[in-house]
Amino acid sequence: QLQLQESGPGLVKASETLSLTCTVSGGSISRSSYYWGWIRQPLGKGLEWIGSIFYSGSTYYNPSLKSRVTISVDTSKNQFSLKLSSVTAADTAVYYCARLGSVFGVIIPHFDYWGQGTLVTVSS
Amino acid sequence: QSALTQPPSASGSPGQSVTISCTGTSSDVGGYKHVSWYQQHPGKAPKLMIYEVTKRPSGVPDRFSGSKSGNTASLTVSGLQAEDEADYYCSSYAGSNNLVFGGGTKLTVL
Repeated sequence: QLQLQESGPGLVKASETLSLTCTVSGGSISRSSYYWGWIRQPLGKGLEWIGSIFYSGSTYYNPSLKSRVTISVDTSKNQFSLKLSSVTAADTAVYYCARLGSVFGVIIPHFDYWGQGTLVTVSS
Repeated sequence: QSALTQPPSASGSPGQSVTISCTGTSSDVGGYKHVSWYQQHPGKAPKLMIYEVTKRPSGVPDRFSGSKSGNTASLTVSGLQAEDEADYYCSSYAGSNNLVFGGGTKLTVL
């Protein structure tokens, strides 16, 4: 059974960089059948797609966050990571990692497996 | 890209049917077959309920169904059960490998 687990600091200071890692178990992150993504949810609010990555390193980002986001993959550790720079209180949210499908490298845009989520609070 | 528009709340009695709408534009919902729906219980991760407008993943009851007309997609829950009470989010492909979510609908089973 595929499992995804987010990890990283739960508290980040304003203006600094938020860094999270998603560890995938029960399946290989290197399979060409999948993309991997990050989604966030401010407490009591809706979901926001942050970005997605293929095992080859191809990335796609939400245009509204693109200038501050970097997603990378480490196939040797079966992990992918999120970095969000210059954070403010508006970046306080539960951050989820999740899996998307892929056919011949083309993203299939729905998330079928999710991590449990991790709360990141930005402090001033 | 703007968030898709969902009603903030919906409700129905056990056994009844309820439909939740998700309105976008021709650049997202209306332009692609990739509309999906997620169920989220409090404190839990979202769960995929519908993908590609009408398809159900294995294990999702057939009481859940999806449809689309123009720029509006819909999720219908038939034979409402207490465990269906949750937040529901739609999502759509928005071109150029971008995705957009709706604001969410809180479904209450009366």
